[in-house]
Amino acid sequence: AQTVTQSQPEMSVQEAETVTLSCTYDTSESDYYLFWYKQPPSRQMILVIRQEAYKQQNATENRFSVNFQKAAKSFSLKISDSQLGDAAMYFCAYRGGADGLTFGKGTHLIIQP
Amino acid sequence: GAVVSQHPSRVICKSGTSVKIECRSLDFQATTMFWYRQFPKQSLMLMATSNEGSKATYEQGVEKDKFLINHASLTLSTLTVTSAHPEDSSFYICSAPPGGDPLRMQYFGPGTRLTVT
Repeated sequence: AQTVTQSQPEMSVQEAETVTLSCTYDTSESDYYLFWYKQPPSRQMILVIRQEAYKQQNATENRFSVNFQKAAKSFSLKISDSQLGDAAMYFCAYRGGADGLTFGKGTHLIIQP
Repeated sequence: GAVVSQHPSRVICKSGTSVKIECRSLDFQATTMFWYRQFPKQSLMLMATSNEGSKATYEQGVEKDKFLINHASLTLSTLTVTSAHPEDSSFYICSAPPGGDPLRMQYFGPGTRLTVT
């Protein structure tokens, strides 16, 4: 079974600074997808960024980028120029084949004004 | 973008009763939908995969007789919590990949908060 580990229960960053959230996963599959989702207090899951395992190039979406290290099974999220609206729970998620998502336990991101 | 709705957003029921939660894809067809459960301050856990026109697939440890799933059309999946108990109180979230291809990106519904008294 696949597992996703987020080792940082909580992270705090000053507004406008950069923060990196860590995620590691374990799988025996070679083809899979990785995601970062944001869950604000409304609890609506919002896709931040996704990465296909077969792509070597790291995904980027505006201020959000990932560092995907397939051999190390690591998938960290970097948020640049942090904004107050970035405050939320962030979940790393894995999907292999046609299965549903396996989520990590989440990281609570606090933005200090 | 693609929209997934859930109804109701909140429901309170008495112990021993059943409650139905609907998940609809509003602007796309979804042959597959997924149901998750999220306890307070915890992560989302996949409960089951809902397949249009066939039986749902349940994750290990999820009681299929307690959590009945019906995927009767390409835009609607329902989750019925039967004989609900206080320990079933949770946040239930559905998701669906547009186009029916489970490999594609999933869109999440806004969730349903179930409280069993």
